[in-house]
Amino acid sequence: GAVVSQHPSWVICKSGTSVKIECRSLDFQATTMFWYRQFPKQSLMLMATSNEGSKATYEQGVEKDKFLINHASLTLSTLTVTSAHPEDSSFYICSARGTALPANYGYTFGSGTRLTVV
Amino acid sequence: AQSVAQPEDQVNVAEGNPLTVKCTYSVSGNPYLFWYVQYPNRGLQFLLKYITGDNLVKGSYGFEAEFNKSQTSFHLKKPSALVSDSALYFCAVSLQGMRFGAGTRLTVKP
Repeated sequence: GAVVSQHPSWVICKSGTSVKIECRSLDFQATTMFWYRQFPKQSLMLMATSNEGSKATYEQGVEKDKFLINHASLTLSTLTVTSAHPEDSSFYICSARGTALPANYGYTFGSGTRLTVV
Repeated sequence: AQSVAQPEDQVNVAEGNPLTVKCTYSVSGNPYLFWYVQYPNRGLQFLLKYITGDNLVKGSYGFEAEFNKSQTSFHLKKPSALVSDSALYFCAVSLQGMRFGAGTRLTVKP
């Protein structure tokens, strides 16, 4: 149980275009989803926290207008990188926490999306 | 700030030898600590967690970790390393989303 599917696994886009990444909880309802960004050979940095039906909470330094997060249902959250530029190229990973789990019992992670902006 | 730290960027061990990947924490109250492993271009795989109870936690793939409150540490260990254990390891603390250490690259040589 507790599987999170992230799609696409990799994407190449032209500079100036927008890219949408989907994160789905397949066998549980996720009240909260998290989006992370990982630069090569670096750690994962939390970008934002999204709760179903409400606006996402962004970490300091993350541009909310560039990284649009939607969490419209208990099984789907999307991250849209708007007007992408080469510096947005990175590995993006989502994670989800189910309604049945206590807050500190950990999270299930998606397999990540490698975004390359050319 | 509440966080975890991994003091070693790289750990090299020979296959069959014991391995240790270090993690220290700075968290007020009771920490909820985790270890994850990441293979190239992949997401994170959960190894083990400490919430409460026994200080020695056993996890996946033969890994274990010891929670040491006096030393504020949560080192990851395995008695006998395999070449396939070579990967990037992250220590993390659960604080409304996971907060990760910088990661330690483990290389196990044949």
